[in-house]
Amino acid sequence: QVQLQQWGAGLLKPSETLSLTCAVYVDSFRGYYWSWIRQPPGKGLEWLGEINHSGSTNYNPSLKSRVTISVDTSKNQFSLKLSSVTAADTAVYYCARQTYYDFLTSYYYYMDVWGEGTTVTVSS
Amino acid sequence: DIQMTQSPSSLSASVGDRVTITCRASQSISSYLNWYQQKSGKAPNLLIYATSSLQSGVPSRFSGSGSGTDFTLTISSLQPEDFATYYCQQSYTTPRSFGQGTKLEIK
Repeated sequence: QVQLQQWGAGLLKPSETLSLTCAVYVDSFRGYYWSWIRQPPGKGLEWLGEINHSGSTNYNPSLKSRVTISVDTSKNQFSLKLSSVTAADTAVYYCARQTYYDFLTSYYYYMDVWGEGTTVTVSS
Repeated sequence: DIQMTQSPSSLSASVGDRVTITCRASQSISSYLNWYQQKSGKAPNLLIYATSSLQSGVPSRFSGSGSGTDFTLTISSLQPEDFATYYCQQSYTTPRSFGQGTKLEIK
């Protein structure tokens, strides 16, 4: 059974850098995109970005240049860094596996395995 | 970016009811639409992918339909464990985007 275990600092001051890591316990790290999603208190889900095993990334433009996702295939881990945090970055952060359904040469991506979430609070 | 809009935002229903939640995309996304269920304090759980494919282990009372810009999630007969918040999500392009959620409450 695939499991994602995530960790990182839970309390930050404004202007600091958020850093989270997600370890993937699975038979293969390849063939998927690995994603980060966050959820502010009482609000909906926001996709932050994704990375594959070769390091190819896609980011949410709403975060501009503040977000960086990296991968360490030797450890089956991927990480999120979000710089210059403010109170608006207070949220539960989730890592997730994004797999796909291949039908008639179309690839239907979906997030089928999620980490348990890490609560990050930004406060002075 | 593609905006996803769900309706209603909240819904009260009783055990045994048939419930439908609607999701509309700001542009055509073909069938690249997924549905998730989230219970309080937990990570989202995938219900349906590619509009109508049921994820393994998900009860058959859940179903999805639609194409283009309009999609629906239907629960044929509500069970007590179905009271939760539901999100749609498009995977047509990046950035991936979610609907704002539909909170399903007990009447």
